[in-house]
Amino acid sequence: KQEVTQIPAALSVPEGENLVLNCSFTDSAIYNLQWFRQDPGKGLTSLLLIQSSQREQTSGRLNASLDKSSGRSTLYIAASQPGDSATYLCAVRGGANNLFFGTGTRLTVIP
Amino acid sequence: SAVISQKPSRDICQRGTSLTIQCQVDSQVTMMFWYRQQPGQSLTLIATANQGSEATYESGFVIDKFPISRPNLTFSTLTVSNMSPEDSSIYLCSVGHSNQPQHFGDGTRLSIL
Repeated sequence: KQEVTQIPAALSVPEGENLVLNCSFTDSAIYNLQWFRQDPGKGLTSLLLIQSSQREQTSGRLNASLDKSSGRSTLYIAASQPGDSATYLCAVRGGANNLFFGTGTRLTVIP
Repeated sequence: SAVISQKPSRDICQRGTSLTIQCQVDSQVTMMFWYRQQPGQSLTLIATANQGSEATYESGFVIDKFPISRPNLTFSTLTVSNMSPEDSSIYLCSVGHSNQPQHFGDGTRLSIL
């Protein structure tokens, strides 16, 4: 069964700093990997989707990379802002359309 | 991207009662998914709901506890039956498949007294 791990579990940075969130998965046979953010008590907002054939995707200050062979993905956030404070989840899609979620990284950006 | 509306957004229920959560999507979709997020934990898939057939449940989830309806291509309901405090969670409706992004509703925060 696919296992998805996110490190660190929590991260606190001063505003303006660049940061990297990590996601690793055990089974490299994936269709794609998706990064989400979740605000407290809310649903998930999709940030970036990387197909298994792609190496990276960018959206604004966010850049996600994928190394399928090593089972790793990173989410890079440039010039962090207090509004970026949230929990960030990665999820990999395997067969049968199931998404396997990591446990998330809780990010706090300090003004 | 699909817009997903869930109702209710939150509820507080007595143990032993049942609650039905509604999910409406602004476009027709083949599959709808129901997830549970227990406090402090990540998301776990409960079941996949296809229109015109019975829902497919994941290991650990059964139809008697979580009956699902899928009357058309834009709507689904999840019922949490005979609730106990262990059912206190956020329940999320989701759409997406294969190489498309997965999208989620805002969730239903359920507390059982």
